[in-house]
Amino acid sequence: QKEVEQNSGPLSVPEGAIASLNCTYSDRVSQSFFWYRQYSGKSPELIMSIYSNGDKEDGRFTAQLNKASQYVSLLIRDSQPSDSATYLCAVNKIADKLIFGTGTRLQVFP
Amino acid sequence: EAGVTQFPSHSVIEKGQTVTLRCDPISGHDNLYWYRRVMGKEIKFLLHFVKESKQDESGMPNNRFLAERTGGTYSTLKVQPAELEDSGVYFCASSDLGQTNYEQYFGPGTRLTVT
Repeated sequence: QKEVEQNSGPLSVPEGAIASLNCTYSDRVSQSFFWYRQYSGKSPELIMSIYSNGDKEDGRFTAQLNKASQYVSLLIRDSQPSDSATYLCAVNKIADKLIFGTGTRLQVFP
Repeated sequence: EAGVTQFPSHSVIEKGQTVTLRCDPISGHDNLYWYRRVMGKEIKFLLHFVKESKQDESGMPNNRFLAERTGGTYSTLKVQPAELEDSGVYFCASSDLGQTNYEQYFGPGTRLTVT
């Protein structure tokens, strides 16, 4: 079992819809949770971080964390074609290395 | 503020040769990490420096890989001799030791191809 699991996709959503990306992790001592966006051939770009249970909103992005279920999600409202990328979920255990999932490819079509 | 930079962006070498990758972290970031993504797999941790000291090198594949960070600024990752399975994208990331959000910022990566 991988430490961080993501559906590889692709997840296809129409422009203007909500894209929902999901991630589960296996180590209960994980403390910090991150979503990175990676365009093809580019570096991972940090878009959201979350540390406590509940929702965290930043613009069109909402991260959700449920430590009891070991589940992290990212919602993208009003999806745009420019949001088409691979979204990487990563976790760590306090100032430690990041453990990544394989990423979910999101396609937003006009 | 400049981001994390890496050099070269691409490197193609033959099996048995040596390659040295360089990473310049964000200015003032004492934490420096090396990661690698092999085709079709997830990004995996290689090692972590705090200033010039190796904090965690549990992800280094074998002793053909040598990382240094003399002076606590830029870091180099040398692969000697390179093998075919070393091909992949090598990412460097940095974070601020003084911050408690543990956010890591990634460089553009070096794509290494060993033929």
